[in-house]
Amino acid sequence: DGGITQSPKYLFRKEGQNVTLSCEQNLNHDAMYWYRQDPGQGLRLIYYSQIVNDFQKGDIAEGYSVSREKKESFPLTVTSAQKNPTAFYLCASRPTARGEQYFGPGTRLTVT
Amino acid sequence: ELKVEQNPLFLSMQEGKNYTIYCNYSTTSDRLYWYRQDPGKSLESLFVLLSNGAVKQEGRLMASLDTKARLSTLHITAAVHDLSATYFCAVDGRGTYKYIFGTGTRLKVLA
Repeated sequence: DGGITQSPKYLFRKEGQNVTLSCEQNLNHDAMYWYRQDPGQGLRLIYYSQIVNDFQKGDIAEGYSVSREKKESFPLTVTSAQKNPTAFYLCASRPTARGEQYFGPGTRLTVT
Repeated sequence: ELKVEQNPLFLSMQEGKNYTIYCNYSTTSDRLYWYRQDPGKSLESLFVLLSNGAVKQEGRLMASLDTKARLSTLHITAAVHDLSATYFCAVDGRGTYKYIFGTGTRLKVLA
């Protein structure tokens, strides 16, 4: 089955710790995206990558970092510099830089 | 800067009624997407509208696109409780590789 997987589904961390969220796709898509969603709110773009070894900051990149070493993988690290990291994180991909985005199931991060 | 606005933000409607959700965007774009999100879940693609005048229907939902008016509508016919969700529209940002999402419309269908 082709699709996007995110792991873990739920993640709990103590304040001050870095944490890495996984996103893998086997759709052979070039472009990948990370979004953050707070309760009752819309989606905000954190980072996106159009091609391997290249990525750009989105609207709320501060306190986050990414890498794109392989086409199928786009991990997101939430660093201790992120002031309010508790949120629902969604990864998405699409075949090229334009067109429909396909979303993973999401990771719910809770930092206390 | 491209902005995408949806209205209403919240919609509570009775089963069996019809209603329309509106999605306005501020600059030229020829592609518009509709998604559904259930509470605690990810986004599910509903419609992809690729040209002016495009109309797509799936069950009780019908989406249309008017690129000249920079407007898309999502029409709900004879609503049922299972349609309760949040609906987002999104537009490809021209000159960028980002989606611009609308604010979302939270729909609640009352039995």
